[in-house]
Amino acid sequence: EPEVTQTPSHQVTQMGQEVILRCVPISNHLYFYWYRQILGQKVEFLVSFYNNEISEKSEIFDDQFSVERPDGSNFTLKIRSTKLEDSAMYFCASSARQNTEAFFGQGTRLTVV
Amino acid sequence: GENVEQHPSTLSVQEGDSAVIKCTYSDSASNYFPWYKQELGKRPQLIIDIRSNVGEKKDQRIAVTLNKTAKHFSLHITETQPEDSAVYFCAASPRVDSSYKLIFGSGTRLLVRP
Repeated sequence: EPEVTQTPSHQVTQMGQEVILRCVPISNHLYFYWYRQILGQKVEFLVSFYNNEISEKSEIFDDQFSVERPDGSNFTLKIRSTKLEDSAMYFCASSARQNTEAFFGQGTRLTVV
Repeated sequence: GENVEQHPSTLSVQEGDSAVIKCTYSDSASNYFPWYKQELGKRPQLIIDIRSNVGEKKDQRIAVTLNKTAKHFSLHITETQPEDSAVYFCAASPRVDSSYKLIFGSGTRLLVRP
């Protein structure tokens, strides 16, 4: 069964450093998303991406965040200068069409120290 | 923007009993409502979803009901088993152009006691 894959599974970084979280969505999917989940809390929407551009972003997704689909398979989330409060589990998700199941990756646990 | 409220935050039931989790949403334009199950340290996985043109959907022991007028939807799990223990999240999808983001509720931690 096809699945969304994310790397790395765990990333520890110093405050102020840049991190890139990587995702390979399911191959025939068209809609891509990043969500984050602070430990013990709900899943929060960060950004949606369609047709090679951002279609919507949340208030959390400020100028420190960017997304890119550099080739036909990868979808990346970059945090330019990490803060302690960026520590969370980051999930990538993809869906084939509108209002259909969003498949989540296994997540990247980001720890900022 | 869309806001999803979910209750209860924790639910403990005896094995074999039913469990009901309720959610309300605020944006009447939302038209897709999935439920996700998340086991500890794992990814959210879809267990059932419903679209706004349907009032009820059932899949074996799991059912979801939707009341568009009242803007609430519920998850029903019958004959609960210990392996149903997990955190359950409801979500609503308020379409904005070509974004079909999900707005999640705060989650319900379900414990099924053997």
